[in-house]
Amino acid sequence: DAKTTQPTSMDCAEGRAANLPCNHSTISGNEYVYWYRQIHSQGPQYIIHGLKNNETNEMASLIITEDRKSSTLILPHATLRDTAVYYCIGHQGAQKLVFGQGTRLTINP
Amino acid sequence: DSGVTQTPKHLITATGQRVTLRCSPRSGDLSVYWYQQSLDQGLQFLIQYYNGEERAKGNILERFSAQQFPDLHSELNLSSLELGDSALYFCASSVGIATVNTEAFFGQGTRLTVV
Repeated sequence: DAKTTQPTSMDCAEGRAANLPCNHSTISGNEYVYWYRQIHSQGPQYIIHGLKNNETNEMASLIITEDRKSSTLILPHATLRDTAVYYCIGHQGAQKLVFGQGTRLTINP
Repeated sequence: DSGVTQTPKHLITATGQRVTLRCSPRSGDLSVYWYQQSLDQGLQFLIQYYNGEERAKGNILERFSAQQFPDLHSELNLSSLELGDSALYFCASSVGIATVNTEAFFGQGTRLTVV
């Protein structure tokens, strides 16, 4: 799995877009960028993943740079329930996930 | 609800004892993964099984063992327990190893407390 670098913590106001960056300069051509989050001691929750193109689902959008060395997870209208640790992982699906320290996102009222 | 079921949710036991944690994967998922998360620590990969066979191993202690049964449920056995084994243990499942474009689904974990 590719090594990823994320900010340790971030704050965002409720209702605003939360933009979480991730650097993955060593990602290989066949590794996807996956995002998971863990809400206080619960099991990690899958958010979204992508290979080259930007992706959007009901939870979030994923913007991947053209050189695939970095990406941004966007939560368009953050709520208090989005407070969690967010993990960016460069990964071939169905292999083991290697979690880093992630970004602790705090949504403030 | 992720579809992955872990039992028990909480477990309190004494040092030196042995416990078994159980995981039922999502219907149709062949891969099962086990992770350990100690207090304020990251998620540490322990072991992966695919269709009954061990597929990958992480930093799993020799006192720990796991297996996946023909019905695809998995058990993680922890023996000679020490205080430092107190942690959250998560199980995850995914479709399989041949599919590269798939996500993993995690259970709600078993909180083990060794006293």
